[in-house]
Amino acid sequence: AQTVTQSQPEMSVQEAETVTLSCTYDTSESDYYLFWYKQPPSRQMILVIRQEAYKQQNATENRFSVNFQKAAKSFSLKISDSQLGDAAMYFCAYRPSNTGNQFYFGTGTSLTVIP
Amino acid sequence: ETGVTQSPTHLIKTRGQQVTLRCSSQSGHNTVSWYQQALGQGPQFIFQYYREEENGRGNFPPRFSGLQFPNYSSELNVNALELDDSALYLCASTLGMSGANVLTFGAGSRLTVL
Repeated sequence: AQTVTQSQPEMSVQEAETVTLSCTYDTSESDYYLFWYKQPPSRQMILVIRQEAYKQQNATENRFSVNFQKAAKSFSLKISDSQLGDAAMYFCAYRPSNTGNQFYFGTGTSLTVIP
Repeated sequence: ETGVTQSPTHLIKTRGQQVTLRCSSQSGHNTVSWYQQALGQGPQFIFQYYREEENGRGNFPPRFSGLQFPNYSSELNVNALELDDSALYLCASTLGMSGANVLTFGAGSRLTVL
C-alpha cells in the first residue's frame, strides 16, 4: 500500500530563516512523482514543487527546494528566507505514474512564520 | 484563464439527506478528480472523470457518485449522508491522464452533516 507520512504536525520558523519539512513514503513502484502542496486558510491547494522519481537532481523553485532520497523514500522540503506569506498547511503527496490523477497525501505540517 | 471553481462554498445537511457539489474545471482541462479532506487530515481520493466516464476510484462506497459533462464540469453526489461525511470536498482538474500532470485545485465545498 502506498502511504505518505509527515511526522511533524506543526513547525515554526523566524521570518527570513530556513525551515525543513519532512516527508517519507512507502511504495513498491519505481516510477512515480512527488509533490509538495501548500494550503493557506483560503483552503485552495497550491502546488509548491514537483519531483520526478527518475531524476536524481533535486527540484528547486526559487526559495523552495527538496532533498529527494529515493533509496530512503524521503522527500523533504526546504524553505529559505521564510516570509509571512509562507504560513500555511503543507502537504506532501505521492503519485504513481500509472494511476492517472490519484494522489496520496500525508496528514500535513502546519507552518507558522514568526515576524 | 479561469481556475477551478466550486459551489457551494459551505452547506449544512442532516443525516440521510443527499447532496450535490459542483465543479467547473480550469479552462482547457478535460480531467476532473474529487477529494475528501476531513478535519486535520490530508485529502483522500474519491474518483476521477475523464471524457465523461469514471476512470479510477478510491476506497469510497457507491453512495458517492459523480458525473462529468461535455464541457468537462463535474458533479459529486453523496446519498444517505452520514456524520462522517462532514469534510471539505476538493475538486481538481488537469489535462489528460499523464502522471506528470499537475492538479489545479478549487477552494472546496465545506459540508457539515448534523
